[in-house]
Parts: sequence; C-alpha cells; structure tokens
Amino acid sequence: AQTVTQSQPEMSVQEAETVTLSCTYDTSESDYYLFWYKQPPSRQMILVIRQEAYKQQNATENRFSVNFQKAAKSFSLKISDSQLGDAAMYFCAYSFQGGATNKLIFGTGTLLAVQP
Amino acid sequence: GAVVSQHPSWVICKSGTSVKIECRSLDFQATTMFWYRQFPKQSLMLMATSNEGSKATYEQGVEKDKFLINHASLTLSTLTVTSAHPEDSSFYICSANRDRGFETQYFGPGTRLLVL
Repeated sequence: AQTVTQSQPEMSVQEAETVTLSCTYDTSESDYYLFWYKQPPSRQMILVIRQEAYKQQNATENRFSVNFQKAAKSFSLKISDSQLGDAAMYFCAYSFQGGATNKLIFGTGTLLAVQP
Repeated sequence: GAVVSQHPSWVICKSGTSVKIECRSLDFQATTMFWYRQFPKQSLMLMATSNEGSKATYEQGVEKDKFLINHASLTLSTLTVTSAHPEDSSFYICSANRDRGFETQYFGPGTRLLVL
C-alpha cells in the first residue's frame, strides 16, 4: 500500500531564513506525482508545488523548491527567504492512478512557524 | 483559474437532521470530484470519489447511507450528511480535477459542520 510519511510534526524558522521540510513515501509504482500543499489557519488547501516522477529535474516555484530523490523515495520541500505568510501546516501528498481516477494520499503534516 | 467553491462555509444543525454541502468548480469542468474529512490537527481523509453521472466510489469504512454523494453535472457535486449526529461534526473539504489521470486536485475552502 502507498504511504506518505512526514517525520517532523513541527518546525520553526526565522524570517528570511531557509527551512527544509521532509517527506518520504512508499510505492511500487514507477509513474506518479508528488505534491506539497499548504494549509494556513483559514484551512484552505493551497498547492505549493508538484513533481512528476518521470522528470529528473527538481521542481521550483519562486522561493519554493523540492529535492526529489526517486530511488530513496524522498521528496523534501525547501522554503527560501521565509516570510511570515509561510506559516501554515504543510502536507506532502502522493498521487497515483487508482482505477479510473487518481487519488491523493496525504502525509500527517508539518506545522511550520515563522519567527519574526 | 481552477477555482472551487463550497457552500455553506459553516453549518450548525440539530442531531437527527440532514445537511447538504455543495461543491462547485467555477471556471472549469471537473471530471472527478473528491470529498475529504479533516479532524482538528489531523490530515485529510478521503471519503469518496465521484464522477459526473455515475455513482460515487466510497473508501473503506465510510458509510454510503450516511454520506450521500451526488455528482449531477461537471461543475457540481453535493455531499449530504443524513441523520447527522455529534460525531459527524468535522471539517469537510471537496476537491476537483479537470482531466482523468494525474491532474492536480484543486480544493474548496471547506465546510465546518457542528452537530448539536
């Protein structure tokens, strides 16, 4: 069964500093997608970044980048120049083709605090 | 683009009554919609997957008769919590994707349900 593990329940970073959130997953599939979603206090799920497993190049979206290690089944998120608005719960998610539709498997989340 | 709305955002009801939650894709046609449940400080739990014009597929352990899902059109899915009880109190989130396959899921803002 596919699983997603986030081993850091909480993290803290100083404003303007860099922080890395960890995520590992388990799958026997070769073709899949990985995502990082952000859930601020409003509880609206916001897509931060996504990675296609067949692409070796790590995805980047402005201050957000990932380190995708397919063989190690690791997918970490790096946030550079952290801002107060980055404070949120971050969920790592794995998407696979479950029958006729894709499904998302979420990790347990990492609560990120940004200190001014 | 890819905006998903939910209505209502907040609902309080008495035990034994039924509550309907709407999920709409505002600027795209959603081939598939998903319903999640989230308890405080926990991750999202997939309840069911619905495709337009067909019966919803429920995850193991989710009561089909308790949580009725109707996907009437390519832009609207509804979740009805029947004969609600206090243990059904939770945060319900829907998501939608545009294409079959590994397309990104776009999330609604969620609905807080409190059953008294």
